[in-house]
Amino acid sequence: DQQVKQNSPSLSVQEGRISILNCDYTNSMFDYFLWYKKYPAEGPTFLISISSIKDKNEDGRFTVFLNKSAKHLSLHIVPSQPGDSAVYFCAASSGTYKYIFGTGTRLKVLA
Amino acid sequence: DAMVIQNPRYQVTQFGKPVTLSCSQTLNHNVMYWYQQKSSQAPKLLFHYYDKDFNNEADTPDNFQSRRPNTSFCFLDIRSPGLGDAAMYLCATSRARGGGEQFFGPGTRLTVL
Repeated sequence: DQQVKQNSPSLSVQEGRISILNCDYTNSMFDYFLWYKKYPAEGPTFLISISSIKDKNEDGRFTVFLNKSAKHLSLHIVPSQPGDSAVYFCAASSGTYKYIFGTGTRLKVLA
Repeated sequence: DAMVIQNPRYQVTQFGKPVTLSCSQTLNHNVMYWYQQKSSQAPKLLFHYYDKDFNNEADTPDNFQSRRPNTSFCFLDIRSPGLGDAAMYLCATSRARGGGEQFFGPGTRLTVL
């Protein structure tokens, strides 16, 4: 049973527009969520995180929103840039060592 | 720059021939993880070390073993690789056991012939 789901395998967005990447989870014990970005031939790189006590966290062009009642989080990238083209993973933790990852969404930002 | 290094980046082995993948870190982090990632799938945790304390995931096959001789190094040993073990193997570290970001190496792509 996949506890963290990224239902969109891919997304294409025009440069300068908003990219919205979505993630759903099923385990209500998850209390910490992270987004990672992965370029080809590199390991995932941490992007932004959010604790369950918040509903929004912002870092520059990147904002993560958490809707606990819907068990849904989203990553907004504004404005999108060609260098943002990568695979984005969301991951969730229940305060332990273990992070459950989604399958990733491939974002392509078109120039 | 502090980082997580994995060697080799690409490893080819034969069916049943033991193979060892290496990970080292300069971050001085307590926790080191090994993940297996197959194409279009989520990274799957195999095991982790908290210092020298080894923690195996319940569904990690016995074929997979690990060693952490010191803080900086961690090894993944696959005793008898099968075709189904072909995957990307990711090493990661974190400062603490609960919460916080993980720092990943670039991965080792394992091919089993």
